[in-house]
Amino acid sequence: GENVEQHPSTLSVQEGDSAVIKCTYSDSASNYFPWYKQELGKRPQLIIDIRSNVGEKKDQRIAVTLNKTAKHFSLHITETQPEDSAVYFCAAGPMEYGNKLVFGAGTILRVKS
Amino acid sequence: GAVVSQHPSWVICKSGTSVKIECRSLDFQATTMFWYRQFPKQSLMLMATSNEGSKATYEQGVEKDKFLINHASLTLSTLTVTSAHPEDSSFYICSARELAGERTGELFFGEGSRLTVL
Repeated sequence: GENVEQHPSTLSVQEGDSAVIKCTYSDSASNYFPWYKQELGKRPQLIIDIRSNVGEKKDQRIAVTLNKTAKHFSLHITETQPEDSAVYFCAAGPMEYGNKLVFGAGTILRVKS
Repeated sequence: GAVVSQHPSWVICKSGTSVKIECRSLDFQATTMFWYRQFPKQSLMLMATSNEGSKATYEQGVEKDKFLINHASLTLSTLTVTSAHPEDSSFYICSARELAGERTGELFFGEGSRLTVL
């Protein structure tokens, strides 16, 4: 089955700096890679995702890159703000309906003002 | 995107009692839903895949007799924690994937239910 590893477990950055979180996956059949942001006590919210037919996707300050050959994908947040502080989870799995996603262990991001 | 609603948000119960958590898809039909469990400061661990009209598929190590899942309609899945004990205290979250359209495959979560067993 799929195994997802996520690094780092914690990340502290200064406001305005960039933050990068990296994940690796094991199953070459996985073709869908979402990123979720979870604030304390709340549900995970999808912030960006990428499918295996593209190598990069960007949405304002957030971008995700995918290297299928190396089986890793990364989340990039530029110009970080205090409200970016949260736990971020990556996930991997088949895109098709009914299939489960496997989540990484999570990264606690702290943006210091 | 799809809206998934979960109830109750909080529940406190005595050890040995059973607790039922409901998960509803509000604006779409979900033949498949997923139940996750999350301990403090930890990741989302998949417990089981709930299939409408058939038995749930449980992940390795999850007791099916302990965590009963019923998916009786296209919009409702329930998780019952039977004979709950303090070690069952956790944050339980359901989710469902978008079936069609531009956002096919996206996974949306319910609000989560925090269970505390005394």
